[in-house]
Amino acid sequence: GAVVSQHPSRVICKSGTSVKIECRSLDFQATTMFWYRQFPKQSLMLMATSNEGSKATYEQGVEKDKFLINHASLTLSTLTVTSAHPEDSSFYICSAKDRGSFSNQPQHFGDGTRLSIL
Amino acid sequence: AQTVTQSQPEMSVQEAETVTLSCTYDTSESDYYLFWYKQPPSRQMILVIRQEAYKQQNATENRFSVNFQKAAKSFSLKISDSQLGDAAMYFCAYSPLEEDGANSKLTFGKGITLSVRP
Repeated sequence: GAVVSQHPSRVICKSGTSVKIECRSLDFQATTMFWYRQFPKQSLMLMATSNEGSKATYEQGVEKDKFLINHASLTLSTLTVTSAHPEDSSFYICSAKDRGSFSNQPQHFGDGTRLSIL
Repeated sequence: AQTVTQSQPEMSVQEAETVTLSCTYDTSESDYYLFWYKQPPSRQMILVIRQEAYKQQNATENRFSVNFQKAAKSFSLKISDSQLGDAAMYFCAYSPLEEDGANSKLTFGKGITLSVRP
């Protein structure tokens, strides 16, 4: 089955550091990837839609300059949290669908990245 | 905009018993897709079941089945013969019909935490 690999799984760093999270589709090509943020015991909130070869589309209220997204190839999207602060601590999850898939086919999720900013 | 509502934050079920998790949604579209995802403590997102809105027949997957009431915009999940491994957070999700299915976004409900008593 389709596999999405997300790395790293856990990051602990100091305030002011920039952190990059990678999302790779291992056995399929993804023109679109999605980035979510999840607080404990809460739902997944879509942050942005990453499009291969073009700019990402951000949801309302998400700071583009804070959360930089790059989707340089059909198998890799990266999310960089710039100058991270404690309030950016959260669980970040990416997902992707196979290029050419239909709307009824599910998204494939990475295992998530737990980001802790001290 | 579409919304998904899961009004019960927590539920508990005795092992081997049956439990139903509720979900309602709001949309002006006639064609769309609905999903139930499971998120165990590992936080991996696992697809449980999906339903196409144009299908009148309720989807079933082994011990999991849905009661899809399109007119009422209701999409409940029934878990039969509950097992300890069913303990998790469950999310109901909506996806519109998109010309490019790879771009179809998911809108999640708030989720419900299911505990299974041995």
